[in-house]
Amino acid sequence: LQLHESGPGLVKPSETLSLNCTVSRGYLATSAFYWGWIRQSPGKGLEWIGGMYHSGKIYYNPSLKSRIAISADRSKDQFSLGLTSVTTADTAVYYCATAPGGGSDFQFWGQGTLVTVSS
Amino acid sequence: QSVLTQPPSMSGAPGQRVTISCSGGSSNLGSNSVNWYQQLPGTAPKLIIYNNDQRPSGVPDRFSGSKSGTSASLAISGLQSEDAADYYCAAWDDRPYAHVKFGGGTKLTVL
Repeated sequence: LQLHESGPGLVKPSETLSLNCTVSRGYLATSAFYWGWIRQSPGKGLEWIGGMYHSGKIYYNPSLKSRIAISADRSKDQFSLGLTSVTTADTAVYYCATAPGGGSDFQFWGQGTLVTVSS
Repeated sequence: QSVLTQPPSMSGAPGQRVTISCSGGSSNLGSNSVNWYQQLPGTAPKLIIYNNDQRPSGVPDRFSGSKSGTSASLAISGLQSEDAADYYCAAWDDRPYAHVKFGGGTKLTVL
């Protein structure tokens, strides 16, 4: 099982950050894993952004909830993150990951993609 | 401020045993299992302990985990130079609604 993040590396303040995570074929459509987004600001710790179950149930970080949208396109083996009204504080490496146990046990990770918020 | 509290840094000599703590509350560690991650510089985190004390395939048995009440620990025995990394605990938190919390991380230095 492999995951790969893709999206713009540079986003302007106040705009929307959009990332896709492409998953090994078939896993999104058939597995009961939990699919999540995690980020890490430069020199800082890990911050969970949100994620979704195969059932479609989505959970969001309370501190980011008003700005986050997570969705999946199983026909494309992708799940996506949208983060609106970004500021420089949203500059981070963004990871997609999956937890086979359905919890916070993220066993498989993408390599991460750096998104810089700057004008 | 993370509600899962870890010591910012720890150190140990090769061969020693170190224990990294993760302190939480009733809404996270008190009612949900804990997972531990190892992150080497410039790489994605790696799951090394899940469901409190289980090791994924391929993780050496030098790594062990435990949880009691609202506290959890990661123990590394027979410390090796390659164990120098950042370590994070993580758990679901039920308040104000279900979400995942990561600890602030512990930087382990092998002397």
